[in-house]
Amino acid sequence: NAGVMQNPRHLVRRRGQEARLRCSPMKGHSHVYWYRQLPEEGLKFMVYLQKENIIDESGMPKERFSAEFPKEGPSILRIQQVVRGDSAAYFCASSPGQGSNTEAFFGQGTRLTVV
Amino acid sequence: GEDVEQSLFLSVREGDSSVINCTYTDSSSTYLYWYKQEPGAGLQLLTYIFSNMDMKQDQRLTVLLNKKDKHLSLRIADTQTGDSAIYFCAESGNAGNNRKLIWGLGTSLAVNP
Repeated sequence: NAGVMQNPRHLVRRRGQEARLRCSPMKGHSHVYWYRQLPEEGLKFMVYLQKENIIDESGMPKERFSAEFPKEGPSILRIQQVVRGDSAAYFCASSPGQGSNTEAFFGQGTRLTVV
Repeated sequence: GEDVEQSLFLSVREGDSSVINCTYTDSSSTYLYWYKQEPGAGLQLLTYIFSNMDMKQDQRLTVLLNKKDKHLSLRIADTQTGDSAIYFCAESGNAGNNRKLIWGLGTSLAVNP
């Protein structure tokens, strides 16, 4: 059973370009969480999704950021018109459906560098 | 508000015990977690404790929870150089079905031979 897969591991974008980060949850997991780790800071929750639904996006910046978790395929975190301040490590985690145990499994992260 | 605090650095000698401390503010947190992050890697769940417990032991790891003081600690016995990493404390908050975690900034553990 493969773990949570994130790709790419490293992504370099010029200011103004779009960044698309992908997350394939563990097999059988229908809940996905995205976190951002800014340099010298801890992780901050961004968004929580279930298949085809955004459950909690209270940590998402109001503009330029969007997330989806379609019925088929990976979850995508999309950042439009990237700026230098978007440079960070973006982690995805997945867990089984509600009512299950406490653990969310993390991917290895995508390190976004905006130049 | 919700906040998790940890000291930023800890240095120990190989073979000694390491104790990493954490304080949190949300008394309704159901679960408290310790994660390990090695350089350039993802986050690995080390252990967690349910809020109605005060101690949990798992091989070299011992977690102590003082709910009254909202203090959590992670003790690593016989620390090895492979334990060098950043250790994050996280709380679940009053999450219900939402696994939104609130994280500390991480404690960087350096193990010296």
